[in-house]
Amino acid sequence: IAGITQAPTSQILAAGRRMTLRCTQDMRHNAMYWYRQDLGLGLRLIHYSNTAGTTGKGEVPDGYSVSRANTDDFPLTLASAVPSQTSVYFCASSARGSTDTQYFGPGTRLTVL
Amino acid sequence: GQNIDQPTEMTATEGAIVQINCTYQTSGFNGLFWYQQHAGEAPTFLSYNVLDGLEEKGRFSSFLSRSKGYSYLLLKELQMKDSASYLCAVRDQDYKLSFGAGTTVTVRA
Repeated sequence: IAGITQAPTSQILAAGRRMTLRCTQDMRHNAMYWYRQDLGLGLRLIHYSNTAGTTGKGEVPDGYSVSRANTDDFPLTLASAVPSQTSVYFCASSARGSTDTQYFGPGTRLTVL
Repeated sequence: GQNIDQPTEMTATEGAIVQINCTYQTSGFNGLFWYQQHAGEAPTFLSYNVLDGLEEKGRFSSFLSRSKGYSYLLLKELQMKDSASYLCAVRDQDYKLSFGAGTTVTVRA
């Protein structure tokens, strides 16, 4: 079934550790996005990529990095995790057409202790 | 940037109608989306408006007034499965979405 997968589903991480959240889509969408969702704040954009080889910063990029080596994969890396990065992380993709609906992956629940 | 406001919570009875309002202030408007999100799950697309007026899709309708910076999502014939959070999102000229904090709708029997 076509869609977006994320791994891991959940993770508990010690502060200071490095962590990479994985995201893969098989819809051949050009654009991909990373959001974090926190209670009362809604979804906030961390980083995005309009096409393979390019990335851009969203609303809350500090402490996170991304890469887009190919169309399908868009990993998010926390170089040195801090407790404030405890959140649910969603990856999304879109075709970048006029309707440009974003489709979301199932999410990764990350806890930083 | 975008400033998007929607009510935090709403409660309604099964079979009734609920209207969720969303107001926004934008630096560049390029469409408004509504998503549904059940607890512990990913957001799923419900509707899209880029021109003024009403878009109807089954029991769900969405309205947009660009001059007023206003949208609403109308849920008719409420069912228990409609209990969820409803997210209003505004797209900018760079195709990035900004989301409101979401409205949690509880449907009671």
